[in-house]
Amino acid sequence: EPEVTQTPSHQVTQMGQEVILRCVPISNHLYFYWYRQILGQKVEFLVSFYNNEISEKSEIFDDQFSVERPDGSNFTLKIRSTKLEDSAMYFCASSPRLGGSVYGYTFGSGTRLTVV
Amino acid sequence: TQLLEQSPQFLSIQEGENLTVYCNSSSVFSSLQWYRQEPGEGPVLLVTVVTGGEVKKLKRLTFQFGDARKDSSLHITAAQPGDTGLYLCAGATPTGGFKTIFGAGTRLFVKA
Repeated sequence: EPEVTQTPSHQVTQMGQEVILRCVPISNHLYFYWYRQILGQKVEFLVSFYNNEISEKSEIFDDQFSVERPDGSNFTLKIRSTKLEDSAMYFCASSPRLGGSVYGYTFGSGTRLTVV
Repeated sequence: TQLLEQSPQFLSIQEGENLTVYCNSSSVFSSLQWYRQEPGEGPVLLVTVVTGGEVKKLKRLTFQFGDARKDSSLHITAAQPGDTGLYLCAGATPTGGFKTIFGAGTRLFVKA
């Protein structure tokens, strides 16, 4: 069964450093998303991406965050200057068709980001 | 702010019992999904309900979407230890369907 692949599975970084989280969505999917889950809390929407541009973003997704689809297969989330409160599990997801999230997502296994 | 409230937050039952988990909101959603999440893993989609009043069955699991598309329920018949996990409901917002709001989840533990 097709999978969404995320790398790395775990990243430890110092506060103030830049991190790039990588995702390979399912190949025929059109919509891409980043969500995060702070330990013990809800899964929170960060951003959605369609047709090579951001479709919607949350208030969490401030100027420190950016997304890119550099080569038609990878989908990346960059955090420019990490803060302690950015420590969380970051999930990439994709969905196949018009209506985006209406039909549900396939999630990756996540990247656990620890900012020290 | 759109919110999805799930209840109960935690449920511990004996194998063979039936249970129902609820997902409620004051907002209307384009659709509602149910996911199951294992520790350290991403949520896995179980079902999507789109039409108000829709009922879907997945083996021993029955999902219902409220007529007004504001709430949903998950009913499990004859629960088994393999059903143990975190069940999340998630609603796709009507604005273009690019965003999904998640509930906090119901943690189910089924004892053998």
